Amino acid sequence: DVKVTQSSRYLVKRTGEKVFLECVQDMDHENMFWYRQDPGLGLRLIYFSYDVKMKEKGDIPEGYSVSREKKERFSLILESASTNQTSMYLCASSFSILEGEQYFGPGTRLTVT
Amino acid sequence: GENVEQHPSTLSVQEGDSAVIKCTYSDSASNYFPWYKQELGKRPQLIIDIRSNVGEKKDQRIAVTLNKTAKHFSLHITETQPEDSAVYFCAAGTGFQKLVFGTGTRLLVSP
Repeated sequence: DVKVTQSSRYLVKRTGEKVFLECVQDMDHENMFWYRQDPGLGLRLIYFSYDVKMKEKGDIPEGYSVSREKKERFSLILESASTNQTSMYLCASSFSILEGEQYFGPGTRLTVT
Repeated sequence: GENVEQHPSTLSVQEGDSAVIKCTYSDSASNYFPWYKQELGKRPQLIIDIRSNVGEKKDQRIAVTLNKTAKHFSLHITETQPEDSAVYFCAAGTGFQKLVFGTGTRLLVSP
């Protein structure tokens, strides 16, 4: 059974803080993704990675960066958190470009005050 | 880039009725169209997907149809049950699974 875990379910940070969101998958998946989910906007891709140390920008990368030093771990970094980054953040992973399903983590609800 | 529109945003049906959710996409290169279900407080999960070389796919009470010419695809749920109540997301994408998701449809099935 695929398991994707995220470091926190709820997080409260102050404006200007550096924030790290961690995601770990235990199924040796090649691809990993970070999305943010906002009401009425669906899931929007921030960054994704198809291999260790590889990263690609998604649709809304501004204000975010990522790190993938090991295959199982994909980190999302908010360099200087702002209130408009208050959101639900979902990590996902998938086996390969030929395997359809993305497996999602439980999400981190981040509030920036 | 790809743009996916999803309608309706909310859908209320009686138990046993059918439900249809429609999505349109803009990029003719998209070749993979999954549907995800997200129950309240839970993570999205894939329920069915279709590739561009197939026009229709069915799995028990759910089916997806794809019209490549018109660039739209739909999710059909028959004999709806209260446990079908959730938010449903369509998505479209190409290689590396860079998916663009729709804005979601909240389906409420009343007993």
